[in-house]
Amino acid sequence: NAGVTQTPKFQVLKTGQSMTLQCAQDMNHNSMYWYRQDPGMGLRLIYYSASEGTTDKGEVPNGYNVSRLNKREFSLRLESAAPSQTSVYFCASSEARAGVKGDTQYFGPGTRLTVL
Amino acid sequence: AQSVTQLDSQVPVFEEAPVELRCNYSSSVSVYLFWYVQYPNQGLQLLLKYLSGSTLVKGINGFEAEFNKSQTSFHLRKPSVHISDTAEYFCAVSEGGTGGFKTIFGAGTRLFVKA
Repeated sequence: NAGVTQTPKFQVLKTGQSMTLQCAQDMNHNSMYWYRQDPGMGLRLIYYSASEGTTDKGEVPNGYNVSRLNKREFSLRLESAAPSQTSVYFCASSEARAGVKGDTQYFGPGTRLTVL
Repeated sequence: AQSVTQLDSQVPVFEEAPVELRCNYSSSVSVYLFWYVQYPNQGLQLLLKYLSGSTLVKGINGFEAEFNKSQTSFHLRKPSVHISDTAEYFCAVSEGGTGGFKTIFGAGTRLFVKA
């Protein structure tokens, strides 16, 4: 049981390049999330997928797109990377069963992205 | 709108000393409260959470937190810390409903445990 996995672990891009961050979970969770973590700002939600087949914007969606490929996988794409997107990116998932309150999120190990 | 304030960005403490990490929240409705821990170069993992019932919540690794509704606080405590507790701690609040997309995280408190 690997939990939440993310690839790659590290990436360096030049301004204007594109890339896709991959995330997969093996816990049969309904909801998946992408966050970015910046010093002193905690975690900010970029996009989320409440259930398979749906995606919605979070707090900071500009410059990103997502795809919920199936129940297991949720990818984050940077179409034209900018230095402001230098950050650590975390994918998370949660069970999100109807009627279950206080959903615990399970996080992947993160991707450290540097945009030059 | 809900928000979370972690009152200390860094807390240095000596090994075996007690520690308290402070968290205040604002919300107009009932909330669920969480503490997550992030060890160096890892993702976050749940320490404990408050959903309802007893206001004192016990978590993993000897941590506990107390929900105080009148003061809108959810402070995290440990009576005796170890070097291995060095990590960043995040308080989070969710206004309920199903799913974590309504969860707001604080900016984090970095705990340094010194020998």
